[in-house]
Amino acid sequence: GQQLNQSPQSMFIQEGEDVSMNCTSSSIFNTWLWYKQEPGEGPVLLIALYKAGELTSNGRLTAQFGITRKDSFLNISASIPSDVGIYFCAGRPSGTYKYIFGTGTRLKVLA
Amino acid sequence: GAGVSQSPRYKVAKRGQDVALRCDPISGHVSLFWYQQALGQGPEFLTYFQNEAQLDKSGLPSDRFFAERPEGSVSTLKIQRTQQEDSAVYLCASSSTRLAGRSSYNEQFFGPGTRLTVL
Repeated sequence: GQQLNQSPQSMFIQEGEDVSMNCTSSSIFNTWLWYKQEPGEGPVLLIALYKAGELTSNGRLTAQFGITRKDSFLNISASIPSDVGIYFCAGRPSGTYKYIFGTGTRLKVLA
Repeated sequence: GAGVSQSPRYKVAKRGQDVALRCDPISGHVSLFWYQQALGQGPEFLTYFQNEAQLDKSGLPSDRFFAERPEGSVSTLKIQRTQQEDSAVYLCASSSTRLAGRSSYNEQFFGPGTRLTVL
């Protein structure tokens, strides 16, 4: 099935470091959502973006809707051990009902 | 609880059996989505309901997959004659808004999923 290009695939970082990940698409998207998923659980919504160029923060998380509407990035500042998990982007192509998810970024934080 | 619930949480089926997976969305949520998540992958869209209307079923992998939401609330995903490749986590998500227009506010909230294993 179709999935968005998400990078990096995995990251090992030290506690306190900043993290950056991004998603790209070949299609124009109306909406970008960023989720975090932990083992055995469903994805949990972190940030939602609806307009090109929009920059939104949620605590230590900041995400942006790319100006071309084909990409988005997520930054996590001052990482802590509980940030461990898999982060997914999801986008909705214009004129559709479906959301397409990225391949995921697996984050591990070393204390 | 106030979140999306799914049942059962785990289902083991023998190849060829039929299974039914249930989703209870957040009360009052108009939109409901089903996704399939294979091990190590992101969720993949299966189908979308707006109230009781199934507006998009383009992601259903075959005619063995069938979803319904007859009263616009609880939804059931049915898989007939299960195959080993159907083994995955099936996720349900709901949203309080309709998907409409170029920019529609539509924040999806996911349930915990049903892990289906077909032997």
